Amino acid sequence: SQTIHQWPATLVQPVGSPLSLECTVEGTSNPNLYWYRQAAGRGLQLLFYSVGIGQISSEVPQNLSASRPQDRQFILSSKKLLLSDSGFYLCAWSRTGSEQYFGPGTRLTVT
Amino acid sequence: KNEVEQSPQNLTAQEGEFITINCSYSVGISALHWLQQHPGGGIVSLFMLSSGKKKHGRLIATINIQEKHSSLHITASHPRDSAVYICAVPSGGGADGLTFGKGTHLIIQP
Repeated sequence: SQTIHQWPATLVQPVGSPLSLECTVEGTSNPNLYWYRQAAGRGLQLLFYSVGIGQISSEVPQNLSASRPQDRQFILSSKKLLLSDSGFYLCAWSRTGSEQYFGPGTRLTVT
Repeated sequence: KNEVEQSPQNLTAQEGEFITINCSYSVGISALHWLQQHPGGGIVSLFMLSSGKKKHGRLIATINIQEKHSSLHITASHPRDSAVYICAVPSGGGADGLTFGKGTHLIIQP
């Protein structure tokens, strides 16, 4: 069966520090991968998606970037965090045209 | 870009009541998702449907493609159904990235 992992589960970082969140998927190959963010009091928002290694599409301009160095690994990064980057970050995978499966999420607090 | 509206935003009901949550969207879609988010934040996919009706246990989801409207029903509601229910549709931007409603915060009191 397929499993999706995210780490860390929680993170507290100062403004201006770098960020790296990791997501890995097991039990499937060539999945579509997604990064979503849920800011406090707001709905989920699509940040990035990837249909293959090295292929990244951004949905919104922001302080964040994403990379897919391996088929089942998706990384969300920032060089310098802003207060507004605080939120709950969710990774998800899917097969084209099918349901999406979400990871457990990372709760990021920027102080 | 698709816009998704959910109602109600908050719903408190007594155990056993029949629950209905509504979702409307602005642009025609291939499929609609209903998701459940628990207090810890974890999200579970409940349904993905493109037409008609689907049922899993006490949960029923319906969609009317012509009217761009979907409903999620819970029969014989139970306190463990308390969660945020989120409607989502393809964002239209590529792959199957989703645009989400703001969610319905459901509390079922014993």
